[in-house]
Amino acid sequence: AQSVTQLGSHVSVSEGALVLLRCNYSSSVPPYLFWYVQYPNQGLQLLLKYTSAATLVKGINGFEAEFKKSETSFHLTKPSAHMSDAAEYFCAVKQPYAGNMLTFGGGTRLMVKP
Amino acid sequence: NAGVTQTPKFQVLKTGQSMTLQCAQDMNHEYMSWYRQDPGMGLRLIHYSVGAGITDQGEVPNGYNVSRSTTEDFPLRLLSAAPSQTSVYFCASSSPGGAVYGYTFGSGTRLTVV
Repeated sequence: AQSVTQLGSHVSVSEGALVLLRCNYSSSVPPYLFWYVQYPNQGLQLLLKYTSAATLVKGINGFEAEFKKSETSFHLTKPSAHMSDAAEYFCAVKQPYAGNMLTFGGGTRLMVKP
Repeated sequence: NAGVTQTPKFQVLKTGQSMTLQCAQDMNHEYMSWYRQDPGMGLRLIHYSVGAGITDQGEVPNGYNVSRSTTEDFPLRLLSAAPSQTSVYFCASSSPGGAVYGYTFGSGTRLTVV
């Protein structure tokens, strides 16, 4: 069975600092990987996805993530945090050839200090 | 606007009451699913459907029923509400190639069972 671990349920950074949100997965084969963002009282919005093409994936709002098979990781980064980045971020995986079901990590709440 | 519409946005139930959470999408997506979101646990799959007339259980199906009579609608029924079902519920949909295009989420239903 696949699983997703997000290290750190809460991450706090200063405005302008690097954002690094960690995601590790366990899977028997390289899965499809996603990062979603949830702003307060809203649904989830897709930030970026890895679907076996380029290992460095660029998403919306300046975020990017790198798929590292050897480390089974898909960490999310942004060079310079903005106040508007404060939200909860979810990493998710989907097994190829296994329907459309997503497995989510526990989420990381990003706080940005002025 | 095209997307996934969930109603109601908020609901308070008494233990033992029943209710139906509505989900409708206008994108002609075949795949629809229900998740519940609880603090620190991410999103967990309750039930899903790969097309009209076809449903299956996810990770946490107990206490919930679903049916899919049309492509557009995928209601979630709580037969006898329990405090453990207090949560935020999200409906999501995707095309068969959901891994490529991502998933569209509704804005959620916040349910409290007292």
